[in-house]
Amino acid sequence: KAGVTQTPRYLIKTRGQQVTLSCSPISGHRSVSWYQQTPGQGLQFLFEYFSETQRNKGNFPGRFSGRQFSNSRSEMNVSTLELGDSALYLCASSRTSGGAGADTQYFGPGTRLTVL
Amino acid sequence: QKEVEQDPGPLSVPEGAIVSLNCTYSNSAFQYFMWYRQYSRKGPELLMYTYSSGNKEDGRFTAQVDKSSKYISLFIRDSQPSDSATYLCASASGTYKYIFGTGTRLKVLA
Repeated sequence: KAGVTQTPRYLIKTRGQQVTLSCSPISGHRSVSWYQQTPGQGLQFLFEYFSETQRNKGNFPGRFSGRQFSNSRSEMNVSTLELGDSALYLCASSRTSGGAGADTQYFGPGTRLTVL
Repeated sequence: QKEVEQDPGPLSVPEGAIVSLNCTYSNSAFQYFMWYRQYSRKGPELLMYTYSSGNKEDGRFTAQVDKSSKYISLFIRDSQPSDSATYLCASASGTYKYIFGTGTRLKVLA
């Protein structure tokens, strides 16, 4: 069974630009969550999508947005990039929504975004 | 104060040693505790999943949760160079949001 895939793997942008990252979950998984990972803050939850609806959202500004398609693939968009947005962006998929008590999540390899 | 605290390391041990990795958490509502392993340039992979207090063993790995002291541990027996990675602890309550520690870098020396 193929794992979670993320594209692109590496991205370099300049301040003020916008970026779109893509995530394809494990086949049969309907929940996709996005995380930002930085050395100082660790893994921080951005948002979760399930059946094309945003179910949960972390404490990030509105410049960070996402969506999910009917085939469960998800995209994350960051507008007006700032230097501090440089990070590894990870997506994780699970079969169901509802949290750690409902299902475990499996991570993709991440997209490393560098903002210059 | 972060909800989940983890010593960033790095922690260097000789091959064959017993490794102890630890986290503390502050939210009494946390009931689910996980350990992930992350190799360089890879996403985290789930190692252990524990509900509430107690021990859970899987091969060379043992996860331990002490809810009274809000302490989470991962023990690795007979450590191997292939265990060299960053280990992330995570906690969650009944709602969705997972809270991760910042990770501990482990290096097992051959």
